[in-house]
Amino acid sequence: ETGVTQTPRHLVMGMTNKKSLKCEQHLGHNAMYWYKQSAKKPLELMFVYNFKEQTENNSVPSRFSPECPNSSHLFLHLHTLQPEDSALYLCASSQQHSGRASITDTQYFGPGTRLTVL
Amino acid sequence: AQKVTQAQTEISVVEKEDVTLDCVYETRDTTYYLFWYKQPPSGELVFLIRRNSFDEQNEISGRYSWNFQKSTSSFNFTITASQVVDSAVYFCALSEASGGSNYKLTFGKGTLLTVNP
Repeated sequence: ETGVTQTPRHLVMGMTNKKSLKCEQHLGHNAMYWYKQSAKKPLELMFVYNFKEQTENNSVPSRFSPECPNSSHLFLHLHTLQPEDSALYLCASSQQHSGRASITDTQYFGPGTRLTVL
Repeated sequence: AQKVTQAQTEISVVEKEDVTLDCVYETRDTTYYLFWYKQPPSGELVFLIRRNSFDEQNEISGRYSWNFQKSTSSFNFTITASQVVDSAVYFCALSEASGGSNYKLTFGKGTLLTVNP
């Protein structure tokens, strides 16, 4: 595997289900991100992790719960979602050279998980 | 006001035509970075270019070229002799240190480019 991989690629779930999205980066990066991409809206940053520590939570509802067990893996646990949460969820990674985010960071994205909440 | 404006929501061209995708940005920082990403139907955002605010030289990479003009706060992207495989959504993004030490990457809404055979 190379780059950033995400599983599953497609997910359909009911509002009462619990599911998890998985992201893995094979680039040796130390920072990982979750984004939400809804139709006709700009990408929305959800969470940022640096060296497994969450450094940003962009006012995301608690029904989305991230987990970063190590610098290569990132999960997004989903619980009691709403239909408006249906979107493409993208994971990205970057190398943060000073241990913190920098404007020079280039983020590399995975293919996304297309989530549909019924 | 939007930080990154891609005024063209959709563009449709015929193969071999040249096409320019516009990007206008807004920032108070003197140091910032601009990016272009391509999102084909498969969904993955593919990094195309990163340009810092102090380098206004135009860049060419194969059929792709970028025109950065600080005077008009624009970072436009031109595809020469377009091909069907260029069909995708293209995003422009701005990286700036908002309010000091916090880094923020802001994306435009994207331009859907369709290249017809």
